[in-house]
Amino acid sequence: NAGVTQTPKFRILKIGQSMTLQCTQDMNHNYMYWYRQDPGMGLKLIYYSVGAGITDKGEVPNGYNVSRSTTEDFPLRLELAAPSQTSVYFCASSKRTVTYEQYFGPGTRLTVT
Amino acid sequence: DQQVKQNSPSLSVQEGRISILNCDYTNSMFDYFLWYKKYPAEGPTFLISISSIKDKNEDGRFTVFLNKSAKHLSLHIVPSQPGDSAVYFCAASAITGTASKLTFGTGTRLQVTL
Repeated sequence: NAGVTQTPKFRILKIGQSMTLQCTQDMNHNYMYWYRQDPGMGLKLIYYSVGAGITDKGEVPNGYNVSRSTTEDFPLRLELAAPSQTSVYFCASSKRTVTYEQYFGPGTRLTVT
Repeated sequence: DQQVKQNSPSLSVQEGRISILNCDYTNSMFDYFLWYKKYPAEGPTFLISISSIKDKNEDGRFTVFLNKSAKHLSLHIVPSQPGDSAVYFCAASAITGTASKLTFGTGTRLQVTL
């Protein structure tokens, strides 16, 4: 099991560019999440999904979009990148909500200049 | 509004001694608490958790204590080892809608010295 994988590991974007952060899990987890971590801060939830075709906003969804067409994949789309989106992005998954434990990917470090 | 607070950004402990990491929360709807450990350039990994119906949970060298009346939890690591050096995040969960959402603290960097 690879667990939760994220690509790319690093990316530099210019202001106004767009990109997709990829996230895949091979644990057959229904629940998937996207977080961002700014320096010196905790992780903040951007979007989450409780299954294929179902997504919902988290605490900081502005400037992002997600889709969930399969159980395995949960890509995060940034449109019109802004410097405020410079952060480390983590994808996570969990088997079911009552389990609470979430498994995290290694992160994508994004810089917008 | 920081609902989960870790007021100590860093902690240094000698190898073999006890490490105590603290966490306070404000939202009384939180019903499950977790500790995650994070090494540089890696994602957080789950360490230990506790339900709000308990006041203690133990797993090997790691023990989490929950004081609901004080809205406070702590993680004890005994004995501390150099490999425990990492950033520790406290997280709290409440079921809202269809999923459990985690609210994270800002982390405490633990350094275990020889």
